[in-house]
Amino acid sequence: TQLLEQSPQFLSIQEGENLTVYCNSSSVFSSLQWYRQEPGEGPVLLVTVVTGGEVKKLKRLTFQFGDARKDSSLHITAAQPGDTGLYLCAGGDTARNNAGNMLTFGGGTRLMVKP
Amino acid sequence: EPEVTQTPSHQVTQMGQEVILRCVPISNHLYFYWYRQILGQKVEFLVSFYNNEISEKSEIFDDQFSVERPDGSNFTLKIRSTKLEDSAMYFCASSRDRYSYEQYFGPGTRLTVT
Repeated sequence: TQLLEQSPQFLSIQEGENLTVYCNSSSVFSSLQWYRQEPGEGPVLLVTVVTGGEVKKLKRLTFQFGDARKDSSLHITAAQPGDTGLYLCAGGDTARNNAGNMLTFGGGTRLMVKP
Repeated sequence: EPEVTQTPSHQVTQMGQEVILRCVPISNHLYFYWYRQILGQKVEFLVSFYNNEISEKSEIFDDQFSVERPDGSNFTLKIRSTKLEDSAMYFCASSRDRYSYEQYFGPGTRLTVT
């Protein structure tokens, strides 16, 4: 069974601060997705990383996939109140024959950015 | 921008009743999924569906659950005899093909079993 652990579970910071959210596993994943979920809504895809060591940037958000493809991080620079939300990581495994990309989700990091 | 849609947004049912949750995946996508999220818990995989058959299912997806693509656009999840513990948000997702990593989720159906 593949597991993804996210830390921290909760994070409350002031506007303008930087933060990093971590997603760790003992398993190797073929891909790692980061989603953002608002209360009562579905996860919205932010980014996908697939290569060990890969770094992707989305405005003030920087995503990194670990070299061994077991972990990932999300770094937000100069956080804004609009960044408030639940951030989820999800690992995919396409190794199975004729199987879609079943995702294993982490428990999420709930971020609050205070103005 | 194409998106996954789900109906209804909220379904209330009595224990033992059958429910059907509906999804319209993104039109050119070939892989479809159902996930569920019990309040306060992780999003959990239920089943994946490709070429009109189940590709993979989790331990949660027992004989009470079934999926179907009744026409060219809809993808449904049926729970035959609901239990209290089936209360959760149910999310449909779709991806372009077997090798696409990106999955796009619908807004979810909140199922409440009383």
